[in-house]
Amino acid sequence: DAMVIQNPRYQVTQFGKPVTLSCSQTLNHNVMYWYQQKSSQAPKLLFHYYDKDFNNEADTPDNFQSRRPNTSFCFLDIRSPGLGDAAMYLCATSRVHPTAANQPQHFGDGTRLSIL
Amino acid sequence: AQSVTQLDSHVSVSEGTPVLLRCNYSSSYSPSLFWYVQHPNKGLQLLLKYTSAATLVKGINGFEAEFKKSETSFHLTKPSAHMSDAAEYFCVVSRRNSGNTPLVFGKGTRLSVIA
Repeated sequence: DAMVIQNPRYQVTQFGKPVTLSCSQTLNHNVMYWYQQKSSQAPKLLFHYYDKDFNNEADTPDNFQSRRPNTSFCFLDIRSPGLGDAAMYLCATSRVHPTAANQPQHFGDGTRLSIL
Repeated sequence: AQSVTQLDSHVSVSEGTPVLLRCNYSSSYSPSLFWYVQHPNKGLQLLLKYTSAATLVKGINGFEAEFKKSETSFHLTKPSAHMSDAAEYFCVVSRRNSGNTPLVFGKGTRLSVIA
């Protein structure tokens, strides 16, 4: 059974038209992450939530926002998509205790975003 | 700062022969290291992890990796490649040694398996 679910798998939007990608998890993990992965590149962390605390990466453009209304769901909003935002967007979760050794992240299958 | 270097961008092996994917790390503390695999149009799947327990780590699908502090390496191996192993492989280090776990990815190694 899928534990990190991303919808939709494929999303097409128009240049400049806002788009929202969604992620849900059944693992009850306290941390959720959003990554951007362009073709033939490694995933790049955009931001993550540790419970309700939002942590933005320093080089994430302002065009990218995120919401986490509850433990299970997390959304990625792109306010005005540009052609350079076409990529695979991956959601991941992990269970973390502040003093525990690092735990692995569990990834969804991603949403491939195309910009027309 | 923590980093990983995957020494090969592409590795090609014949089915049934051994696989070696090389990774070197840089860390200012005892690192947590992971190998993930990504099949086309899929998310990343954890193969194995090292978190300062046994230096030889066994993972899924017959893969294993050995942590060598003296060589700052964490190479991934498999005795006999299968066609289904063809994928992209990422060596990953945790940015910090506890708490939040942002990951630092290597650039990936594409493994091709020839019949």
